[in-house]
Amino acid sequence: GAVVSQHPSRVICKSGTSVKIECRSLDFQATTMFWYRQFPKQSLMLMATSNEGSKATYEQGVEKDKFLINHASLTLSTLTVTSAHPEDSSFYICSARDSASRRGAQYFGPGTRLLVL
Amino acid sequence: DAKTTQPNSMESNEEEPVHLPCNHSTISGTDYIHWYRQLPSQGPEYVIHGLTSNVNNRMASLAIAEDRKSSTLILHRATLRDAAVYYCILRDFDSGGGADGLTFGKGTHLIIQP
Repeated sequence: GAVVSQHPSRVICKSGTSVKIECRSLDFQATTMFWYRQFPKQSLMLMATSNEGSKATYEQGVEKDKFLINHASLTLSTLTVTSAHPEDSSFYICSARDSASRRGAQYFGPGTRLLVL
Repeated sequence: DAKTTQPNSMESNEEEPVHLPCNHSTISGTDYIHWYRQLPSQGPEYVIHGLTSNVNNRMASLAIAEDRKSSTLILHRATLRDAAVYYCILRDFDSGGGADGLTFGKGTHLIIQP
């Protein structure tokens, strides 16, 4: 089956630093990838849609200057949390849409747990 | 995406069938019914989807009401590994071929007792 990887799986950083999270589709091409955030005991919330070769589309309330998204190839999207603060601590999950799938199948990565001290 | 309603939690015994309900009374004619599940500390995984007819795959079965206002995900023989949060999501394939992100509700927390 289709596999999506995320790196790192967990990261601890100091307040004010930037953290980059990678999302890769391993065996399929993904012109569209999505970034979600999940706080403890809550559901996933869509943050942004990442389109290969163009600017990301952000959901209402998500700061585009704080959460930088780059989708430079058909298999890689990165999310950079700039100047991270403790309130940014969360579980970040990406998904990749299989470009060849008629039903627009989306496959999720295993998630990255970010803890900002 | 249209709204769905699911029970907050359900409990079942291992090796017994589990029926997870989902209400979607405002479903439109072009909405597909998708189910995903999220195991603890992992990303969601696709389970099954359907439009009108009942569907079966190796993970589960999906029973869709004739009026499409509700559906039931059926796990035929639950194991401890099926303990997860199950999300019922409607996706309109007329709007961009499913190119939008998914809207997750609270889902149903399925607890499996040994």
